[in-house]
Amino acid sequence: GAGVSQTPSNKVTEKGKYVELRCDPISGHTALYWYRQSLGQGPEFLIYFQGTGAADDSGLPNDRFFAVRPEGSVSTLKIQRTERGDSAVYLCASSFAGGPYEQYFGPGTRLTVT
Amino acid sequence: KQEVTQIPAALSVPEGENLVLNCSFTDSAIYNLQWFRQDPGKGLTSLLLIQSSQREQTSGRLNASLDKSSGRSTLYIAASQPGDSATYLCATQGRETSGSRLTFGEGTQLTVNP
Repeated sequence: GAGVSQTPSNKVTEKGKYVELRCDPISGHTALYWYRQSLGQGPEFLIYFQGTGAADDSGLPNDRFFAVRPEGSVSTLKIQRTERGDSAVYLCASSFAGGPYEQYFGPGTRLTVT
Repeated sequence: KQEVTQIPAALSVPEGENLVLNCSFTDSAIYNLQWFRQDPGKGLTSLLLIQSSQREQTSGRLNASLDKSSGRSTLYIAASQPGDSATYLCATQGRETSGSRLTFGEGTQLTVNP
């Protein structure tokens, strides 16, 4: 079956602009995770959704970052007033449920803020 | 808060050599530990997942071990090939937070020279 997909694969934006990154999880997976990976680093947790609700958003770096999952499937990560330090690869993962289930990762969106 | 460390940060070996990558973690209250492979500009490919009750997992030329009490895992690659060149990441899935986010190390960049 289809894996996790993310769009766009690359996004270049100017400092101060607003961006949206989309994640389409594996069908039937109720848990969805966003991670951010800076160059040369391991991915860092941002937010976890169980169904439509954000069950844990403790990894979001500040209030410029927000994510939604209105119908419990597709999720959108939204970044306002982008800064150069937001440049990174944003990875999405889904799993059957929250808890000890394997997470399956998408290919990521590379965000570059100029 | 879980911290995951990987040693070495980079490793270069001749083709055919057996090698070991190391991963250590500070909090033993984990569901599982997972090893991933990441090729340049790509997403994460899961290699092996070891449940907390297991000691090791094997897949082809790869063998991963887990010693939860000492907070250590190793990934053994037998008869390395140039195609094994990639960054290898380990991650723990924790019990301490809802949803069980993954906590990643910074990775080991492996180069296998022909």
